[in-house]
This record gives sequence, structure tokens and C-alpha cells, in this order.
Amino acid sequence: NAGVTQTPKFQVLKTGQSMTLQCAQDMNHNSMYWYRQDPGMGLRLIYYSASEGTTDKGEVPNGYNVSRLNKREFSLRLESAAPSQTSVYFCASSELAAASTDTQYFGPGTRLTVL
Amino acid sequence: QKEVEQNSGPLSVPEGAIASLNCTYSDRVSQSFFWYRQYSGKSPELIMSIYSNGDKEDGRFTAQLNKASQYVSLLIRDSQPSDSATYLCAVRSGGYNKLIFGAGTRLAVHP
Repeated sequence: NAGVTQTPKFQVLKTGQSMTLQCAQDMNHNSMYWYRQDPGMGLRLIYYSASEGTTDKGEVPNGYNVSRLNKREFSLRLESAAPSQTSVYFCASSELAAASTDTQYFGPGTRLTVL
Repeated sequence: QKEVEQNSGPLSVPEGAIASLNCTYSDRVSQSFFWYRQYSGKSPELIMSIYSNGDKEDGRFTAQLNKASQYVSLLIRDSQPSDSATYLCAVRSGGYNKLIFGAGTRLAVHP
């Protein structure tokens, strides 16, 4: 099992460009998440998908959109990248978001730089 | 604003010593607590989860939870240089598994 995979690993964009970060999991998990991690700060939730067909905003959703393509895949799109979106992006998945003992597992991350 | 606070460190301990990492949280109704280890340039890796007051031991790691004081800690016994990493405290908040992360404590174990 690969667990949670993310592509690309690194990306450099110019301000105003768009891109999509891809995430896939092979653990048959129902719930998936997108986080960003900035220096000196904890991971912050951008969007999550509690189950296939649903998505909800997290703490910092502005400037992002998501698509839960199927049970395995959850993508994050930056429509018009800004320097403030320079960060490391992590995708995570968990079995069932509503369960109190639910545990999240993280992908390797995408390091994004917006010039 | 629900918060999770950690001392950023670095916490420096000699090899073989006990490392004590602390975390406080603001949301009184939080029920699930997690410790993740993150090596530089890598993704967070789950070490421990704890849901009830008291201690939970797993090998060299012990998580301690005190809900009345809104305090959770992680003890690492017989610290090794390979334990040098940033340790993230995460607290489940809300009806779904929305984790609130602290900024992390950097641990340095020196030989």
C-alpha cells in the first residue's frame, strides 16, 4: 500500500497562474483533507471531504477550490496563485471523520512557491 | 478561536534522558488528542493518540491527558538522536475530525 500520495512534490508558479494539486489514497478511507503548513505555524485546514460527494471549508479556504473526484482522489486547485499561498501543502485521509477515535494519515506534501 | 499552544523550543536533551513535551488547548469540549512527529522536510507521522484522562504508554512514549487542566503531554524515555524532530500536538475539534494543530516543539537529542 502506498498510503497517501501527492503530486507534484515541488512546484514554482508565477503570480496569477493556476494549478491543481493531486492527492490519492489507497486505504479505502472515506474522509480526506487538505492542509497548508507555514514556518512557525501549525498545519491549517483548507478544505475537507467527510465522504465522497461532500466538501466543506476549513480554517483558511480563501483562494482555493477542491474536488472530491471519487473515493480515492481529492484535488486542490489554486485559480490565481498569490505569493501568500507559498507554503507546503499536505493531503491527509482518515477512515471516518465522524468517529471520535478517527485518525488522520498524511501524504508526503507538495512544496509550492509563488513568485 | 480555538487554540493549541506548544513551546516552540528547541528542547535540548542528552541521549538517554527523558524528554517532556507539553501542549495546552482552549476548547473544553475537545475529546481526542494526537501527537505527531515531523522530521525536517517530511510529513507528520502519528505517534500516539489519547482519549481518556490519565496515561497511555506505547514503548518509549507516554501520553498524558488532563482534561480538567486542558493539558496533554508526551514523554519520551531513553531519548535517542533519531528522536530529534518537531512534535506536533493536535486536538480534535467539532463534530467531524477537524484537527487543530499546535505550531510544534522542536526536540534536539544530543549524544
